[in-house]
Amino acid sequence: EDQVTQSPEALRLQEGESSSLNCSYTVSGLRGLFWYRQDPGKGPEFLFTLYSAGEEKEKERLKATLTKKESFLHITAPKPEDSATYLCAVQAGETSGSRLTFGEGTQLTVNP
Amino acid sequence: KAGVTQTPRYLIKTRGQQVTLSCSPISGHRSVSWYQQTPGQGLQFLFEYFSETQRNKGNFPGRFSGRQFSNSRSEMNVSTLELGDSALYLCASSFLGDGIQYFGAGTRLSVL
Repeated sequence: EDQVTQSPEALRLQEGESSSLNCSYTVSGLRGLFWYRQDPGKGPEFLFTLYSAGEEKEKERLKATLTKKESFLHITAPKPEDSATYLCAVQAGETSGSRLTFGEGTQLTVNP
Repeated sequence: KAGVTQTPRYLIKTRGQQVTLSCSPISGHRSVSWYQQTPGQGLQFLFEYFSETQRNKGNFPGRFSGRQFSNSRSEMNVSTLELGDSALYLCASSFLGDGIQYFGAGTRLSVL
């Protein structure tokens, strides 16, 4: 059974204080690892897809990396508008179709 | 390009009733997946429809069912509602079922 674990559960940062969120996974046949951002009362918003170990992707203050066992979401000089819950999900197996297995998420708060 | 649209946004039902939720995917997308999100369990996969056929199903009781129409629009039905069915129900669409899934804003269901 695919498993995704995110840490920490909650993270409080000061504006400009860089940090990283962790997503560790145990799957059979990884097809893709996804990062989403979710604001209260809204659906998850797609951020990144990573497909193979060593891959990196960047978008503004966010950078996602992937190894064979985990992924990191690095946040550089965060701003208050980066406050949200960040979700990690995996798509795995030959017959799982579009099924995503999600972690519990990291709730990020950035204080001004 | 319009995003994924879910209706209604909010629903209040009582135990024992049934409910139908609707999802209109992004134009051209053929895969629609449904997820349940609760504070305790996080995001859990319900089922996926692709070209009007259920392709995958999560570990939910038979009270949860769905269907997809020829225009790719999808509906989810929950019969004999229980208090524990209170959740945010999210719909996601993708072009072929592989890769990036785009989520709607969700339907907040409260069962009293």
